[in-house]
Amino acid sequence: SQQGEEDPQALSIQEGENATMNCSYKTSINNLQWYRQNSGRGLVHLILIRSNEREKHSGRLRVTLDTSKKSSSLLITASRAADTASYFCATDDNNAGNMLTFGGGTRLMVKP
Amino acid sequence: GAGVSQSPSNKVTEKGKDVELRCDPISGHTALYWYRQRLGQGLEFLIYFQGNSAPDKSGLPSDRFSAERTGESVSTLTIQRTQQEDSAVYLCASSLPPRIETQYFGPGTRLLVL
Repeated sequence: SQQGEEDPQALSIQEGENATMNCSYKTSINNLQWYRQNSGRGLVHLILIRSNEREKHSGRLRVTLDTSKKSSSLLITASRAADTASYFCATDDNNAGNMLTFGGGTRLMVKP
Repeated sequence: GAGVSQSPSNKVTEKGKDVELRCDPISGHTALYWYRQRLGQGLEFLIYFQGNSAPDKSGLPSDRFSAERTGESVSTLTIQRTQQEDSAVYLCASSLPPRIETQYFGPGTRLLVL
């Protein structure tokens, strides 16, 4: 079963706009990661935020984590058409041991 | 260096046939994971290998699914007596402890069971 749930399931924006995706989870975690997937193929790791961190930046990406609400958000600023992809959050669950638990993903379309 | 590779890229099979999917992890990565992704959905964990430890098979959906790994190299995922609901993309990932939380994914094998 999947722990994370992304919101929205699909998002369509114009190039240059910001895109915000949210992820909620259910159990305590060690860290939360965001991955990107193009065309239903392999995933690419974007950013990891640990449970004791509240915000992290990487280029045009900004991730926040609120462990009290068990939620995270991924913000992509100044979006580009090349950002079109599916974005998944994944949690390293304290109880799960070794694997990541993925959400259902947000499908982002950036129109040129 | 080379990333995670998987073969075949696509596989079409008939219901009831067995299929074998292959994963070559990044050299030196001791951890290897298999996931299943149904169309439009997230990833479901299947199995995890770490070095010579017993694999974590807790995600395998039925006894028709099995996986092997030779040492710290190639892994094969076998699905016996395939069913139409097995149709999905099967993704392999590897990682290098202690940074085991960051996983590097292969391109996946798209399986279609007719």
